[in-house]
Amino acid sequence: DARVTQTPRHKVTEMGQEVTMRCQPILGHNTVFWYRQTMMQGLELLAYFRNRAPLDDSGMPKDRFSAEMPDATLATLKIQPSEPRDSAVYFCASGLMGTEAFFGQGTRLTVV
Amino acid sequence: KQEVTQIPAALSVPEGENLVLNCSFTDSAIYNLQWFRQDPGKGLTSLLLIQSSQREQTSGRLNASLDKSSGRSTLYIAASQPGDSATYLCAVPESYNTDKLIFGTGTRLQVFP
Repeated sequence: DARVTQTPRHKVTEMGQEVTMRCQPILGHNTVFWYRQTMMQGLELLAYFRNRAPLDDSGMPKDRFSAEMPDATLATLKIQPSEPRDSAVYFCASGLMGTEAFFGQGTRLTVV
Repeated sequence: KQEVTQIPAALSVPEGENLVLNCSFTDSAIYNLQWFRQDPGKGLTSLLLIQSSQREQTSGRLNASLDKSSGRSTLYIAASQPGDSATYLCAVPESYNTDKLIFGTGTRLQVFP
């Protein structure tokens, strides 16, 4: 059963700490997305990769967020330093151009 | 800039009712539209994908239609069940040459027995 896997599922951290979230896309998918979901803003796109190359990260605060794909089986989203306003659920999704996007279960981040 | 709106924001119906969820988008130059379901505390589950060349797509009790020219899609749920209770989201690509998805704010559905 192919699925997008995200780790960790939950993370509580103190303000100022580094947070790294990981995503394993579905094998064979060449597009990877990072979304953030909050009650106020809904789903916001943070970053978007195709064939491991970043195509759009305009939704991401560049001073503290970074997204990478070290290889085709791993995408990472890093926040350094974390702030309370970063508390949200972070979703990774993968797909092929023009077809369905499949989402992971998300990482619920709480920054205290 | 692509914007997606979903109406109603919330819906509460008794079991057995047929219901329609609406999605509208501002830029009709899309190549597909996707409907998702999200249960509380969970990720998004893809329900239906309609390509721009299609007008309808069906899966079980779900039927989604797409009218590109008017910028609208509807998700029809037949004979609703309590297990259908969830938030339903539609998403379209930001433009014709990207697969970057823009989401609506969702319709929160509650089906009571």
